[in-house]
Amino acid sequence: EVQLVESGGGLVEPGGSLRLSCEASGLTFSRYGMSWVRQAPGKGLEWVSSISRDGGETFYADSVKGRFTIFRDNSKNTMFLQMNSLRDEDAAIYFCAKIGQLGLWYFDVWGRGTLVTISS
Amino acid sequence: EIVLTQSPGTVSLSPGERATLPCRASQSVNNNYLAWYQQKPGQAPRLLIYGASTRAPGIPDRFSGSGSGTDFTLTISRLEPEDSAVYYCQRYDISPPPFGQGTKVEIK
Repeated sequence: EVQLVESGGGLVEPGGSLRLSCEASGLTFSRYGMSWVRQAPGKGLEWVSSISRDGGETFYADSVKGRFTIFRDNSKNTMFLQMNSLRDEDAAIYFCAKIGQLGLWYFDVWGRGTLVTISS
Repeated sequence: EIVLTQSPGTVSLSPGERATLPCRASQSVNNNYLAWYQQKPGQAPRLLIYGASTRAPGIPDRFSGSGSGTDFTLTISRLEPEDSAVYYCQRYDISPPPFGQGTKVEIK
């Protein structure tokens, strides 16, 4: 069974930083692109960032470009999201998601999410 | 900006009834690259449908997807109590890949 487990969320002040992790099991991690999708409290889903199988290509939503960095360590079956210069509007549950077949950007496996709270 | 519109925001139906949930794209979706997800309270989304009409593994056949171009539909043929959830559409032929705002299905 494929599992994705996020960690690293928490309470941070505006302007602060956090690093989220997503550990994968039950799959050959290096074969799949991966993504982060977030959900603000009571709101819908928003794609944040994606990374290719080997980490050589990365993609970002305009709302986080220049502040967030996605990367992965295939030897540890883990993906990361480094979040800097955090803003109030970044508060959300951050889900790790596996990209679908043929590298198409639908998301066929999701983690349970990790909560990021922004408050001074 | 390319958007997906899901309306109504909430539908309230009885067990055994059919739910028909629309998703309209502001521009045509290429190659039917349209997915549907189910999200129950406190849970992660779950992929139901991709390619507009292909059920994901393990998804009951009472869930079906249809449509092309700008108009897509998720149909739940015979509602069960556990189908109470928010349903999102998402197109993945463009970057960024947008989601619709969701339709909440309430079971009476």
